Amino acid sequence: ILNVEQSPQSLHVQEGDSTNFTCSFPSSNFYALHWYRWETAKSPEALFVMTLNGDEKKKGRISATLNTKEGYSYLYIKGSQPEDSATYLCALGSSNTGKLIFGQGTTLQVKP
Amino acid sequence: DAGITQSPRHKVTETGTPVTLRCHQTENHRYMYWYRQDPGHGLRLIHYSYGVKDTDKGEVSDGYSVSRSKTEDFLLTLESATSSQTSVYFCATANRGPQEGQPQHFGDGTRLSIL
Repeated sequence: ILNVEQSPQSLHVQEGDSTNFTCSFPSSNFYALHWYRWETAKSPEALFVMTLNGDEKKKGRISATLNTKEGYSYLYIKGSQPEDSATYLCALGSSNTGKLIFGQGTTLQVKP
Repeated sequence: DAGITQSPRHKVTETGTPVTLRCHQTENHRYMYWYRQDPGHGLRLIHYSYGVKDTDKGEVSDGYSVSRSKTEDFLLTLESATSSQTSVYFCATANRGPQEGQPQHFGDGTRLSIL
């Protein structure tokens, strides 16, 4: 059974702080790494999908990097805002089957 | 998002009764998924479909069955509901598989309580 680990489990920061979280995964049979943003009482929304070692993606103040050889991805938020408060999920596509294995998420709370 | 409708949105039922949840999409996406969300577990895959009548098991498939007779509909059935199946169920769709770099699009969820 593949294990996708996210750390930290939760994070509290002040408005304006920059922060980052980690997603760790088995590096064998890697196909793709997904990041989703999940606000309370809503459904998950896709942020990034990365497939190549060294990939870097950016959307506004949020960016992500990927290291498939060592099995990790970082998600960065620059200048956190209260509206960034959400749970951030990573998910691994590790075979050619169509399945995604999700981590348990990092819950971010940004205080004004 | 991606024209995904889950029904019902909320349901309360009793142990031992059959329950069917429906996911309907209007985007002609090939892949459809059923997940359950539980505290401390994130999203766990129950079953998924990679085409009409083509389905496969996920991590937590015991006690669940699925059917996909049309591209737009993916049904999840609990043959005899148990209290451990109380959860929030999410449907997701994708145009291609996650391994091909395509994101999944999620429905709004169905909150199921089994008493």
